Amino acid sequence: GAVVSQHPSWVICKSGTSVKIECRSLDFQATTMFWYRQFPKQSLMLMATSNEGSKATYEQGVEKDKFLINHASLTLSTLTVTSAHPEDSSFYICSASGGPSGSYNTGELFFGEGSRLTVL
Amino acid sequence: QKEVEQDPGPLSVPEGAIVSLNCTYSNSAFQYFMWYRQYSRKGPELLMYTYSSGNKEDGRFTAQVDKSSKYISLFIRDSQPSDSATYLCAMSAGGNNRLAFGKGNQVVVIP
Repeated sequence: GAVVSQHPSWVICKSGTSVKIECRSLDFQATTMFWYRQFPKQSLMLMATSNEGSKATYEQGVEKDKFLINHASLTLSTLTVTSAHPEDSSFYICSASGGPSGSYNTGELFFGEGSRLTVL
Repeated sequence: QKEVEQDPGPLSVPEGAIVSLNCTYSNSAFQYFMWYRQYSRKGPELLMYTYSSGNKEDGRFTAQVDKSSKYISLFIRDSQPSDSATYLCAMSAGGNNRLAFGKGNQVVVIP
């Protein structure tokens, strides 16, 4: 299956600092990337949808100025948590859709390994 | 009513037993159905992918979709301790529509 790489896998930062998480599709062009947040023993909560070259679409209740998403190429999307606070501590997961050569996707998603953020 | 309903469990079974998981949904536009397996502190891994109604088998795993009843199932035969994980159902109407996820069902296979 397609491979999505996410980095870093875990990060600890001080309150007030910003953290950037990268999501890369390694063997296919991802026309769309999604960012999720997952709390312990909870399902995935969609934060935002990003399409290459355009602004991300944020879900209701997600602060776009706090969670900056950039999808500058077909293989890379980044999520920056700005001025992080302890309540932002969570497991952040990206996923990508799209097939080889950017073929029309069928809703099938490939997930990264996730990034665990701990804000002290 | 939530778009996708999935009983979170947990479900404990002895090794070798059949694991049966299911989800119901309300959106009749869904036509792509997926099961993801998620180990603790890892990202979800695509396990099974089915289009429209019918059955799909892959090794010890069988996915079933009944669109008329808006009901999907995942069966794991000859369960192994390594199958212990959380299983998430997900579905989509396709065409870049976002996935709707179930809550996930925690499965524990006891040796």
